[in-house]
Amino acid sequence: KAGVTQTPRYLIKTRGQQVTLSCSPISGHRSVSWYQQTPGQGLQFLFEYFSETQRNKGNFPGRFSGRQFSNSRSEMNVSTLELGDSALYLCASMGTGNTIYFGEGSWLTVV
Amino acid sequence: AQSVTQPDIHITVSEGASLELRCNYSYGATPYLFWYVQSPGQGLQLLLKYFSGDTLVQGIKGFEAEFKRSQSSFNLRKPSVHWSDAAEYFCAVGALGGFKTIFGAGTRLFVKA
Repeated sequence: KAGVTQTPRYLIKTRGQQVTLSCSPISGHRSVSWYQQTPGQGLQFLFEYFSETQRNKGNFPGRFSGRQFSNSRSEMNVSTLELGDSALYLCASMGTGNTIYFGEGSWLTVV
Repeated sequence: AQSVTQPDIHITVSEGASLELRCNYSYGATPYLFWYVQSPGQGLQLLLKYFSGDTLVQGIKGFEAEFKRSQSSFNLRKPSVHWSDAAEYFCAVGALGGFKTIFGAGTRLFVKA
């Protein structure tokens, strides 16, 4: 069974631009979560989607948004990028027993 | 308030020595407990999980963890550490019913020869 797939793996953006990251969960998983990881702040929860509905949300500004499609694939978008948005963005899908499985992440650098 | 505490930011052990990483949690619902490992530049890999039953759970790579309800702890152990175990380790707690999974701040493990 394929794992969680995230694209792109690496990207560089300029301040003020927007970015969209994509995530394909493990087949059959209906819950997808997004996390931001930085050296200073650690692993921070962005939001979780379940059956196309946002079920949980972290404490991030409205520039961070997401959505989930009927096939459970998810995207997250960050608008008006700031230097501080440079981070590893991790997607995870949830299986039985609320077990979370992570993708390899998307490295975003904002210059 | 729901929280997960990993008291040690980093730990250094000698190769071949035993390891114990601490994790304490505070969670309103009946918790499900997890340990993950992250190698540099990689995503998080599930090491082991506890849902119910035997409080000592075995995971991959020779790791085990023990759930102690009275102490709200879920410490990770390995009897003999290998250089390849150097990584960051995250404890997490979740529950059924849409409760958000919460992660600790992580403990970075250094292994010296």
